[in-house]
Amino acid sequence: KNQVEQSPQSLIILEGKNCTLQCNYTVSPFSNLRWYKQDTGRGPVSLTIMTFSENTKSNGRYTATLDADTKQSSLHITASQLSDSASYICVVISMDSNYQLIWGAGTKLIIKP
Amino acid sequence: DAGITQSPRHKVTETGTPVTLRCHQTENHRYMYWYRQDPGHGLRLIHYSYGVKDTDKGEVSDGYSVSRSKTEDFLLTLESATSSQTSVYFCAIAGAANTEAFFGQGTRLTVV
Repeated sequence: KNQVEQSPQSLIILEGKNCTLQCNYTVSPFSNLRWYKQDTGRGPVSLTIMTFSENTKSNGRYTATLDADTKQSSLHITASQLSDSASYICVVISMDSNYQLIWGAGTKLIIKP
Repeated sequence: DAGITQSPRHKVTETGTPVTLRCHQTENHRYMYWYRQDPGHGLRLIHYSYGVKDTDKGEVSDGYSVSRSKTEDFLLTLESATSSQTSVYFCAIAGAANTEAFFGQGTRLTVV
């Protein structure tokens, strides 16, 4: 069964600190993997999109990594800011079923001053 | 928000009543999706459309129907709302099936 699991479920860190969020998936065949940021009360916004041949992709202070062999991805946030408080969702796109999006449940990140 | 408008943004309705949510886009994207988001769950696909009058079911389609008579509008109908359909509903659009999806602001629906 295609699944995406994220850890931790929630995380609290101090402003200025770094953090890493994890995503493990069992989706096959794999098309691409995306990280979304969802602020409270808003729709998800894409941070990065990676195909299986890409190991790392950055978007400002956000860096995503992908290991297609172990089916793991991580999202690293550098020098966190209060505005980084949000849910971060890992999404894996399957090449089956018209490129179905398989969504993780998300990691809720809280940045404290 | 990439030219996507959901309406209404909030709605409270009674069990057994019909409800229609609207998603309107100005991007001329081919694909449109309806998702629901509940605490502890990832977004779950209800229905999607890959063109005018072309729709297909997602993983949680029971109790929902959709229509797409124009490229820009995708309607989600709850024929007879139930309390289990209390949720936040998101519309998304994409130019192609494997390209980036853009999301609307969401509609918070409460069925009492």
